Amino acid sequence: QKEVEQDPGPLSVPEGAIVSLNCTYSNSAFQYFMWYRQYSRKGPELLMYTYSSGNKEDGRFTAQVDKSSKYISLFIRDSQPSDSATYLCAMNNQGGKLIFGQGTELSVKP
Amino acid sequence: DAGITQSPRYKITETGRQVTLMCHQTWSHSYMFWYRQDLGHGLRLIYYSAAADITDKGEVPDGYVVSRSKTENFPLTLESATRSQTSVYFCATHRGGNTGELFFGEGSRLTVL
Repeated sequence: QKEVEQDPGPLSVPEGAIVSLNCTYSNSAFQYFMWYRQYSRKGPELLMYTYSSGNKEDGRFTAQVDKSSKYISLFIRDSQPSDSATYLCAMNNQGGKLIFGQGTELSVKP
Repeated sequence: DAGITQSPRYKITETGRQVTLMCHQTWSHSYMFWYRQDLGHGLRLIYYSAAADITDKGEVPDGYVVSRSKTENFPLTLESATRSQTSVYFCATHRGGNTGELFFGEGSRLTVL
């Protein structure tokens, strides 16, 4: 079983929809949780970063961490075609190596 | 102002050949990483380096060699390429500290025939 599990999709939604992307993990030592966005044929870029449990909002994006359930989510409100990309969750403990999920491919249709 | 650059961006080679993928950064970040990205596996760590002359294995190191004689360069060598090493390779840097923010290059797409 992988340390971090992410539904690879693909996920296709109409423009304006609310998108929910999720990851589960098994290592309770993880403290830092990230979401990376990767456009086609590009390297991943950090989108959201959260420490420990709770919510973090940045514009149309909200990251949630539930450490008790070992579950993290990324919500995208009012999704746009420009949000079409692969979204990777990632996490680590203090000073540890980053562990990535498999990535979810999202397509937002106009 | 390139930050992190990888070369070549695309490479086709044959089984058994030696291939070197180059990675160069202009930030002087301490940590550098090599990942491979394959469908269904996400990003898997091959090797990483905490500083010049310090390297360590990641999750999938077999068949790869790295070196880091200078802080800014972190080449990845496939000594005898195999078809299973067909992949997209990403170099990344990290400036240190507790957060996991990595800065990735554009990737090197390698095909082994």
